[in-house]
Amino acid sequence: GDSVTQMEGPVTLSEEACLTINCTYTATGYPSLFWYVQYPGEGLQLLLKATKADDKGSNKGFEATYRKETTSFHLEKGSVQVSDSAVYFCALSGQNSGNTPLVFGKGTRLSVIA
Amino acid sequence: GAVVSQHPSWVICKSGTSVKIECRSLDFQATTMFWYRQFPKQSLMLMATSNEGSKATYEQGVEKDKFLINHASLTLSTLTVTSAHPEDSSFYICSAIPGLAPKSGANVLTFGAGSRLTVL
Repeated sequence: GDSVTQMEGPVTLSEEACLTINCTYTATGYPSLFWYVQYPGEGLQLLLKATKADDKGSNKGFEATYRKETTSFHLEKGSVQVSDSAVYFCALSGQNSGNTPLVFGKGTRLSVIA
Repeated sequence: GAVVSQHPSWVICKSGTSVKIECRSLDFQATTMFWYRQFPKQSLMLMATSNEGSKATYEQGVEKDKFLINHASLTLSTLTVTSAHPEDSSFYICSAIPGLAPKSGANVLTFGAGSRLTVL
């Protein structure tokens, strides 16, 4: 079945450092890909998404490119802030999914220190 | 934007008792809601799909008699953990899709903040 593998954390960075969180997937057909963020004490929030190959999703300085050839959707940010400290989940939903929910990775905890 | 509210946000109960968790869509109607379970340092695991006016669809390995789901209205779904035991302690999260899913198949789920259950 479909699955998502993302790098294990925790990841600790200094403010203004570069961030990359790797995510690869296994799926049939052409899934849509997502990054969700979970801040402490809050629910998951959609950070960005891409629905087809070579699409780039971006939001709040984060970006990720849908790479079908490498089945990857790595999350990147050029300069992290303390407020970016959270748990990040890579996820996918299958094509023609309608209301089908997402398959999530295990999450990567990011801590940014001043 | 769309908001999904869960209540309670945390609950502690004794082994053998039942606990009900509510999931409400505050400013939209949701014919379908999803219930997940999240173990520490693990990902979300889909437990069941809650359909308004009909029976829930459970994922393989999830006991339907233990995790009772009722989707009584277009804005409310409830999850009842019956005869809870310590191994049921977990973080339970619901989600819903506001509006119509785009034809592209890209779902945009709105998640509740979760309910942490601790069974003593």
